[in-house]
Amino acid sequence: QVQLQQSGPGLVKPSQTLSLTCVISGDSVSSNSAAWNWIRQSPSRDLEWLGRTYYRSKWYDDYALSVKGRITINPDTSKNQFSLQLNSVTPEDTAVYFCARNNQLNMFDSWGQGTLVTVSS
Amino acid sequence: QAVLTQPSSLSASPGASASLTCTLRSDINVANYRIYWYQQKSGSPPQFLLRYSSDSDNQQGSGVPRRFSGSKDASANAGILLISGLQSEDEADYYCVIWDSSAWVFGGGTKLTVL
Repeated sequence: QVQLQQSGPGLVKPSQTLSLTCVISGDSVSSNSAAWNWIRQSPSRDLEWLGRTYYRSKWYDDYALSVKGRITINPDTSKNQFSLQLNSVTPEDTAVYFCARNNQLNMFDSWGQGTLVTVSS
Repeated sequence: QAVLTQPSSLSASPGASASLTCTLRSDINVANYRIYWYQQKSGSPPQFLLRYSSDSDNQQGSGVPRRFSGSKDASANAGILLISGLQSEDEADYYCVIWDSSAWVFGGGTKLTVL
């Protein structure tokens, strides 16, 4: 049973960096058949995929165009976790952030508990 | 125009069937996509229901009842989630998802009310 445990601050000031971590149990961040994603849900309930990292003999990442240039998703093999950094945040980045695993059939089959991040001074 | 369009809400009675649509933008053809459906209940992350591409290429989520099924309407360029024998516990938000242009794309979601 794969479990994802998120951590990180719930309040970030405008123009600063949002940082969240997702610890994986029951699988490996270096798995050759999984991808590790960050997804957010706005207060109006819209879901938005932000990006992913995955390992296929080497590390890859993909990012949504809407946040490209501001986002970094990094794996940490020593701690079996992956992280999200989103720079230069504005109030429009206020959302519940989820980490999620894509399994070998490409479905999001495991999710973190969600972290409400509010961008406000 | 959004890539995926879903009606914002739908109501149906217990025991009835509900058909939730996910219309693809006109420049992309539903025939070329696998449509993923997720259910989200208040306070919880979305849960995978099923994936549908064709009758020979589909996947039911673990533990998901067979009264949840997928299909496509080529004439409407849409994916469809059919829920039969509606139960009160089916009241939730439902999202469709596709992989397009190297990104996962979510529909805006349909809030299903069972009353």
